[in-house]
Amino acid sequence: DTEVTQTPKHLVMGMTNKKSLKCEQHMGHRAMYWYKQKAKKPPELMFVYSYEKLSINESVPSRFSPECPNSSLLNLHLHALQPEDSALYLCASSQGSGGYTFGSGTRLTVV
Amino acid sequence: AQSVTQLGSHVSVSEGALVLLRCNYSSSVPPYLFWYVQYPNQGLQLLLKYTSAATLVKGINGFEAEFKKSETSFHLTKPSAHMSDAAEYFCAVSVDSSASKIIFGSGTRLSIRP
Repeated sequence: DTEVTQTPKHLVMGMTNKKSLKCEQHMGHRAMYWYKQKAKKPPELMFVYSYEKLSINESVPSRFSPECPNSSLLNLHLHALQPEDSALYLCASSQGSGGYTFGSGTRLTVV
Repeated sequence: AQSVTQLGSHVSVSEGALVLLRCNYSSSVPPYLFWYVQYPNQGLQLLLKYTSAATLVKGINGFEAEFKKSETSFHLTKPSAHMSDAAEYFCAVSVDSSASKIIFGSGTRLSIRP
């Protein structure tokens, strides 16, 4: 299995909702990432988990809360988001210097 | 700090023509460099990577890139463009030796004319 699977593919949520994005990989990678990508922009790093511990937090607002339950799973909990948080959220995993394997993303719309 | 600069936000070539997408990096230490491709409404796919082995790196879909330290460049090329190559291309650099954090360039949109 050489894939990173993200669910859901699309999500529409209100500003008072709580939702979660999920990411799963079975390649044995020990680093997992959340990126945010706005239209026509490069991905921006949000969080890095290395060996299930949060190692990089790029000063992301607290309305985004990551969780790494085990080495194969990565969640992103969303609460009280703003319309400007609408974007493509990408999960990735890696092992060493081999580069990232990305999921296909969750298209989030905040209304 | 390490960074990459992609020259040209949009490149248009004819089908069958040479594709050249430019990337220059800034790094105080030997970098790890990557090219990714993103098709509409999809995630990013790794095309190729430079990790201090051979300076000419061959990737998927007929793409290759050459690491030139003297020019601090890592340009992406393909001899003959196909319509299916139309996509967004990102150059990226790692900021540590384990390549655990990758910074992306601003991207180049490649269009292919029939």
